[in-house]
Amino acid sequence: DQQVKQNSPSLSVQEGRISILNCDYTNSMFDYFLWYKKYPAEGPTFLISISSIKDKNEDGRFTVFLNKSAKHLSLHIVPSQPGDSAVYFCAAKDYGGSQGNLIFGKGTKLSVKP
Amino acid sequence: DGGITQSPKYLFRKEGQNVTLSCEQNLNHDAMYWYRQDPGQGLRLIYYSQIVNDFQKGDIAEGYSVSREKKESFPLTVTSAQKNPTAFYLCASSTPLNTGELFFGEGSRLTVL
Repeated sequence: DQQVKQNSPSLSVQEGRISILNCDYTNSMFDYFLWYKKYPAEGPTFLISISSIKDKNEDGRFTVFLNKSAKHLSLHIVPSQPGDSAVYFCAAKDYGGSQGNLIFGKGTKLSVKP
Repeated sequence: DGGITQSPKYLFRKEGQNVTLSCEQNLNHDAMYWYRQDPGQGLRLIYYSQIVNDFQKGDIAEGYSVSREKKESFPLTVTSAQKNPTAFYLCASSTPLNTGELFFGEGSRLTVL
């Protein structure tokens, strides 16, 4: 059973508008969440993270929101740019757990149209 | 420049052959990982190593083997026992901080003919 779910395989947004990528999780032990961005034929790169003691973390155009009661997090990109077109992976871990316990969602492919 | 180098970037293999994918890092990270990505799938953990001469199986270790003789190197061997080896393989490393922040290589695409 998937512990980290990204239910939208793809999302298309106009340049300059907001992109909202969603992620749900089932394991209540998860207390640290990350977003990675991946271009085709390249490795993912870390984008932003949030721990469960916060409900929001912001870094430039990127903001991650965490709703623990709903076991839901979202990544907002404002304003969206064509260079943001990539696959975005949500990942979660139990901070006290082993380094190997990072669980990835299946990804959402974002297309930002000029 | 510090980073993770994977080689080869593309590799073709005949059925029944073993193949070894190289992963080298100069970030001085203790922990290293191998992930597999299939189309429409997330990253699935094959093996990871938190320290030299030690490694643990991930979720899909069957048909794979690793070694960690040096801190900088974590090669992955895809054996003939792996039923469906065609995939994109990603190597990563991380600091001991256990934040989940991984530094990935550019990946190796293996195609079995």
